[in-house]
Amino acid sequence: DTGVSQNPRHKITKRGQNVTFRCDPISEHNRLYWYRQTLGQGPEFLTYFQNEAQLEKSRLLSDRFSAERPKGSFSTLEIQRTEQGDSAMYLCASSLGSASTGELFFGEGSRLTVL
Amino acid sequence: AQKITQTQPGMFVQEKEAVTLDCTYDTSDQSYGLFWYKQPSSGEMIFLIYQGSYDEQNATEGRYSLNFQKARKSANLVISASQLGDSAMYFCAMREGGITSYDKVIFGPGTSLSVIP
Repeated sequence: DTGVSQNPRHKITKRGQNVTFRCDPISEHNRLYWYRQTLGQGPEFLTYFQNEAQLEKSRLLSDRFSAERPKGSFSTLEIQRTEQGDSAMYLCASSLGSASTGELFFGEGSRLTVL
Repeated sequence: AQKITQTQPGMFVQEKEAVTLDCTYDTSDQSYGLFWYKQPSSGEMIFLIYQGSYDEQNATEGRYSLNFQKARKSANLVISASQLGDSAMYFCAMREGGITSYDKVIFGPGTSLSVIP
């Protein structure tokens, strides 16, 4: 069990560029979540998956954000035409739906800086 | 509408003292789960404790206990015998629906705890 892995850990990009983040969950976990966190704030829900099915996407997300989990394993989060307001830490978490508590296990996050 | 409220942006506690971090939540579901996470300055999110809405006993994990008052919709975290390493952000979170439901987990705004030597 290697934990939840996120790549890249840091990304600096210019406004208007596209960026993609990858999350590898704990292998047997069927649920995968994406959150956005800015300094001093709580994680803000973006979207989540049960296996390969995307079950909900936050209404706060614009159409510039898209996420996939094509085979129910790893997931990608793409942000198109980045804006300075997209600068944040993007957190991925996974959980096992049948576990007694179903707590989320978080990765170390991918920090995005949009210049 | 915000579903998780943490009214204490910042708290201070003397080392070895106990501290209570407040959390209130809003849900119309009968089945839900409540979590507390710790986030030190290094950034990782650390799971502390879980309380299911049907659990009759308040959850405890070592120095952490959850004061669950269902009728008041509150789930306060109590940390006993505070240590310097407890200085961190603390987040209350909720999953509506049961364990096998598809509902997402949402987080509160957090409380920053500082332990004073």
